[in-house]
Amino acid sequence: DTAVSQTPKYLVTQMGNDKSIKCEQNLGHDTMYWYKQDSKKFLKIMFSYNNKELIINETVPNRFSPKSPDKAHLNLHINSLELGDSAVYFCASSQDGQTGELFFGEGSRLTVL
Amino acid sequence: DAKTTQPNSMESNEEEPVHLPCNHSTISGTDYIHWYRQLPSQGPEYVIHGLTSNVNNRMASLAIAEDRKSSTLILHRATLRDAAVYYCILRRAGGTSYGKLTFGQGTILTVHP
Repeated sequence: DTAVSQTPKYLVTQMGNDKSIKCEQNLGHDTMYWYKQDSKKFLKIMFSYNNKELIINETVPNRFSPKSPDKAHLNLHINSLELGDSAVYFCASSQDGQTGELFFGEGSRLTVL
Repeated sequence: DAKTTQPNSMESNEEEPVHLPCNHSTISGTDYIHWYRQLPSQGPEYVIHGLTSNVNNRMASLAIAEDRKSSTLILHRATLRDAAVYYCILRRAGGTSYGKLTFGQGTILTVHP
């Protein structure tokens, strides 16, 4: 059983489209995150949620909207996709948002043409 | 966020110990030292973390300097599977950072057969 699963794994789309990436964790964790890894391989936090409540929004454009329907899910919706959104997006979860280790998914590679 | 400095790359031979250094001279009292690694085409994976004392787990050991301004991740017997990018991260407990991980460039570890 995959602890943190993301779908889709690969996504190729045109500029201007709207797309979503889904994330589910079966670890019973309270905190979930979205990270972005750009072409230079830098990993940067985008959002964190604790018990469905937004905790961190790291100055991400409004085109990115996370949605947490329940504690086990954190989806990422992206409107009006731009070339610069091409990256690998990682979902992660942790038992607490303070010191607990993060468990990452395998990533979703988004390519915007 | 307090900054960490790691060598860009290191090399090792299989079955030999590897010592991966990390400098964090601006570390604060509430910063935990975390290590994650990222294997090719995978999400980051937790390795180990500590605050003041040296720590051991099944994957590695973490040696923390007495003044906490540096630390060393020790892989006791490197295997080919240990080839990855290793990230040394300071994670602040409490406050508005809510435990976010700030990834640097990391150290690319190459393991030779």
